[in-house]
Amino acid sequence: KAGVTQTPRYLIKTRGQQVTLSCSPISGHRSVSWYQQTPGQGLQFLFEYFSETQRNKGNFPGRFSGRQFSNSRSEMNVSTLELGDSALYLCASSLVEGGTNNEQFFGPGTRLTVL
Amino acid sequence: GDSVTQMEGPVTLSEEAFLTINCTYTATGYPSLFWYVQYPGEGLQLLLKATKADDKGSNKGFEATYRKETTSFHLEKGSVQVSDSAVYFCALSNNAGNNRKLIWGLGTSLAVNP
Repeated sequence: KAGVTQTPRYLIKTRGQQVTLSCSPISGHRSVSWYQQTPGQGLQFLFEYFSETQRNKGNFPGRFSGRQFSNSRSEMNVSTLELGDSALYLCASSLVEGGTNNEQFFGPGTRLTVL
Repeated sequence: GDSVTQMEGPVTLSEEAFLTINCTYTATGYPSLFWYVQYPGEGLQLLLKATKADDKGSNKGFEATYRKETTSFHLEKGSVQVSDSAVYFCALSNNAGNNRKLIWGLGTSLAVNP
């Protein structure tokens, strides 16, 4: 069974640009969560999608958005990039909503560098 | 709000040494507690979990006991190996209300020398 895949693995952008990251969950998983990982702030929850609906949202500005498609694949978009958006963006999938008592499976992440 | 505090790293040990990584939490209600591990260049993997007080999670020689009285979930291993070198994250999830997201500690880097 293939794991969670994220594309691209690395991205370099400049301030003001926008970026779209993609995540394909494990087959059969319907919940996808996104996290931002930085050395100073650790892992911070961005949002969770289940059945194409955003179910939960972290404390990030509106520049961060996402969506989920009918095949459970998810994308996140960051507009008007800032230097502080440089981070490893992790996607996690789980069988059911919430991913709390249900194990979350993480992808390798997309390393975004904003210059 | 809910929070997780981990001991700061890096932690450097020799092979076969005893490992403890401290984790304490603040949460309302009865959260579930997790330890995740991130090996170099890889995503996070669930190492172990405990869903109620006094539960002990264990995997690959690692153990952690959910202590509600001390709000702690310390990770231990009796004899570490070089292959255990990684970053370890403590996390909680709290089903109180609609807050179902995972709350993470900042991670503790472990380096095991041969």
